[in-house]
Amino acid sequence: GAVVSQHPSWVICKSGTSVKIECRSLDFQATTMFWYRQFPKQSLMLMATSNEGSKATYEQGVEKDKFLINHASLTLSTLTVTSAHPEDSSFYICSARAVNDQPQHFGDGTRLSIL
Amino acid sequence: AQSVTQPDIHITVSEGASLELRCNYSYGATPYLFWYVQSPGQGLQLLLKYFSGDTLVQGIKGFEAEFKRSQSSFNLRKPSVHWSDAAEYFCAAKDNYGQNFVFGPGTRLSVLP
Repeated sequence: GAVVSQHPSWVICKSGTSVKIECRSLDFQATTMFWYRQFPKQSLMLMATSNEGSKATYEQGVEKDKFLINHASLTLSTLTVTSAHPEDSSFYICSARAVNDQPQHFGDGTRLSIL
Repeated sequence: AQSVTQPDIHITVSEGASLELRCNYSYGATPYLFWYVQSPGQGLQLLLKYFSGDTLVQGIKGFEAEFKRSQSSFNLRKPSVHWSDAAEYFCAAKDNYGQNFVFGPGTRLSVLP
């Protein structure tokens, strides 16, 4: 079956650094990828939708300069948390879809801890 | 290993008919449980969630879900389906420590006029 790989699964870094999270579709071409964030004991919040070769569409309230999303190829999207601060600590999960009528596949998520 | 299963890949119902989407989980302890809906080209939208307490949970858009510990299930229901409910529905679970958020494979719902 279709597999989405998300890396790293867990990262701890100092405040002020930038962190890049990768989301790869291993055996299919993902025209659309979604990035979600989850706060403790809460549900997922959609951060942005990215289509290959286009700028990401950010949800209201999500800082696009803070959370840089790149979807330069059909198998890779990256989320970069720039100048991370402790309030950015969260669980980030991506999903990928080939085309609109195809199933969506989720990565395993990345737990980000900012000290 | 922790897992969430949705036995039905695709369900078709007539508009106005009742709906039940199945979800089963396999966790060491009772996890937090969620149902999400995704319309074509859009991201996930939370329908409802269960953390504890009343096992019948009411959500948005007229959906409800019932947690049954004995069956490790969290089935989603709606008494009367509307054409706009056609979408993909995902059941998800995570443990009480906030780790291991796991999604089911999804059930695609088609609604006949």
